Amino acid sequence: AQTVTQSQPEMSVQEAETVTLSCTYDTSENNYYLFWYKQPPSRQMILVIRQEAYKQQNATENRFSVNFQKAAKSFSLKISDSQLGDTAMYFCAFMIRPYSGAGSYQLTFGKGTKLSVIP
Amino acid sequence: GAVVSQHPSWVICKSGTSVKIECRSLDFQATTMFWYRQFPKQSLMLMATSNEGSKATYEQGVEKDKFLINHASLTLSTLTVTSAHPEDSSFYICSRSRVAVNTEAFFGQGTRLTVV
Repeated sequence: AQTVTQSQPEMSVQEAETVTLSCTYDTSENNYYLFWYKQPPSRQMILVIRQEAYKQQNATENRFSVNFQKAAKSFSLKISDSQLGDTAMYFCAFMIRPYSGAGSYQLTFGKGTKLSVIP
Repeated sequence: GAVVSQHPSWVICKSGTSVKIECRSLDFQATTMFWYRQFPKQSLMLMATSNEGSKATYEQGVEKDKFLINHASLTLSTLTVTSAHPEDSSFYICSRSRVAVNTEAFFGQGTRLTVV
């Protein structure tokens, strides 16, 4: 079974500053995906960034980047130039990559980190 | 635009009644969909996997007779909370995933259920 741990229940950051959210996971699988999802007050889940485990290069999406350390099973999210709209719950999530290359697998979520961006 | 549509977004019902929540995959035929439950200020917990044309797979501790799942077509999965009680009040979210070039899970808007 897979587990995902987010050790920071709440964090805050000043607008325009940088913040890093931590995530560690445990799995015996070698092929998998890691995600950060954002859940704003509307509660709609929004994909922030994804990382394929077989890729060594860290994923980046505009102001969002990850530090993926496969050996350490660590997957942190860095938000640069924080904006008020970044205020949300952030969930780290894990998905097994099907061996057939297709199919549908569920996500295993961490407990989440509540991020508040302060004006 | 949304690729998973969930309805209703909120519902209030009386104890003992049943409530049906619909989840539609708008852009893709989904043989598998997932139902999650989220308590206030907590994470999403997988309740069950909905399989088109066959029985749903429930996670340990989830009462299959209380939470009936039907996946009669490739675009529609429904979750029926039967004989609802106040402790069933929660936020329910459906999802489907795409494992392809850009692997991702897509989520419905969620349904806030309040049982009074």
